[in-house]
Amino acid sequence: GIQVEQSPPDLILQEGANSTLRCNFSDSVNNLQWFHQNPWGQLINLFYIPSGTKQNGRLSATTVATERYSLLYISSSQTTDSGVYFCAVVGGNKLVFGAGTILRVKS
Amino acid sequence: DAGVIQSPRHEVTEMGQEVTLRCKPISGHNSLFWYRQTMMRGLELLIYFNNNVPIDDSGMPEDRFSAKMPNASFSTLKIQPSEPRDSAVYFCASNPSGRANEQFFGPGTRLTVL
Repeated sequence: GIQVEQSPPDLILQEGANSTLRCNFSDSVNNLQWFHQNPWGQLINLFYIPSGTKQNGRLSATTVATERYSLLYISSSQTTDSGVYFCAVVGGNKLVFGAGTILRVKS
Repeated sequence: DAGVIQSPRHEVTEMGQEVTLRCKPISGHNSLFWYRQTMMRGLELLIYFNNNVPIDDSGMPEDRFSAKMPNASFSTLKIQPSEPRDSAVYFCASNPSGRANEQFFGPGTRLTVL
């Protein structure tokens, strides 16, 4: 089945710093989503981005489907950005999740 | 608009007991998904329904697990009998159509089996 790899596995930032999270996938996809799982466990949709670039406030994402990767950019990070960021793609008929990137933003 | 609703939010039970988790998808969404999240295995799909019909249950771990969707606004995931290794967070998600579109997740049910 399709493989989804995320990097880095862990990231510690000082508040105000920028970061880039990466998601590689092993096969062509027609759906890619980025989620943020907050410290309370809720999975929050960030982007639905099978290709191209989208921006939402301090967050933006780019997916290059032909090269099988997606990037999530976080600018001017805040402590509320802490949590786990997941990339998920549709493989076959299932949404397959990466292992996530654990982000800690320190004040 | 209300999002996906799950109940209970937390469940603590003893090994051997029956557990029933409930989900109400977003109105108008016709696909519903049950996921399980554990430290060891991450997030994994258990089963999904399209128009109330189970399409793929290959992720259901064993016969102790069963899921139903009697109508478009309600689904249950049942574990009978429960075991300590079933302890996990169970998420329900829905999307407007098909399998490739954007999925929206509920808050999850944290299950602890003692």
